[in-house]
Amino acid sequence: AQRVTQPEKLLSVFKGAPVELKCNYSYSGSPELFWYVQYSRQRLQLLLRHISRESIKGFTADLNKGETSFHLKKPFAQEEDSAMYYCALTGAQKLVFGQGTRLTINP
Amino acid sequence: NAGVTQTPKFRILKIGQSMTLQCAQDMNHNYMYWYRQDPGMGLKLIYYSVGAGITDKGEVPNGYNVSRSTTEDFPLRLELAAPSQTSVYFCASSFSGLGPGEQYFGPGTRLTVT
Repeated sequence: AQRVTQPEKLLSVFKGAPVELKCNYSYSGSPELFWYVQYSRQRLQLLLRHISRESIKGFTADLNKGETSFHLKKPFAQEEDSAMYYCALTGAQKLVFGQGTRLTINP
Repeated sequence: NAGVTQTPKFRILKIGQSMTLQCAQDMNHNYMYWYRQDPGMGLKLIYYSVGAGITDKGEVPNGYNVSRSTTEDFPLRLELAAPSQTSVYFCASSFSGLGPGEQYFGPGTRLTVT
């Protein structure tokens, strides 16, 4: 079964500190993984995808197939990073989302 | 482009009432989705469609119905509202050429059933 687990519902860090949002998955095959973000009063939007191996707004995520993880990282948190973050994987024409992590950056 | 639009933004229903949540997109996307978002539970897929005339159940379809008569519109119908359907509903779309991973979301409809 396809499943995405985000173990932390809430995560709070200070501005300038490193951030890591955890994501683990189970999938029988080669998954495509994504991070979505929802800022306050905005729509859910795609942040990055593992295929692109890109850095968006200072965030990166590496797919670790051995640990079945896709953690989202940023070396120096900024206040504007406060948002709800969802990890997701694709399977048969649809996305499966994790439960989400609410990230709060304290000044 | 307006992207993905949803109406209404808010609605309060009484138990047993019915309503239709509207969703439209102007990006010529062939994939469309309906999700519900319950507090602390993430997004659950209700129904999805890969093209006009084709719909399929997601993870939590009970109590809902959909239709897809055009590429642009994907309405979600609640026939007999129940308190368990109190949630925020999101519609999304994607282009099959890019796969289902890159989805564009609407602003959501907050529904309360009392």
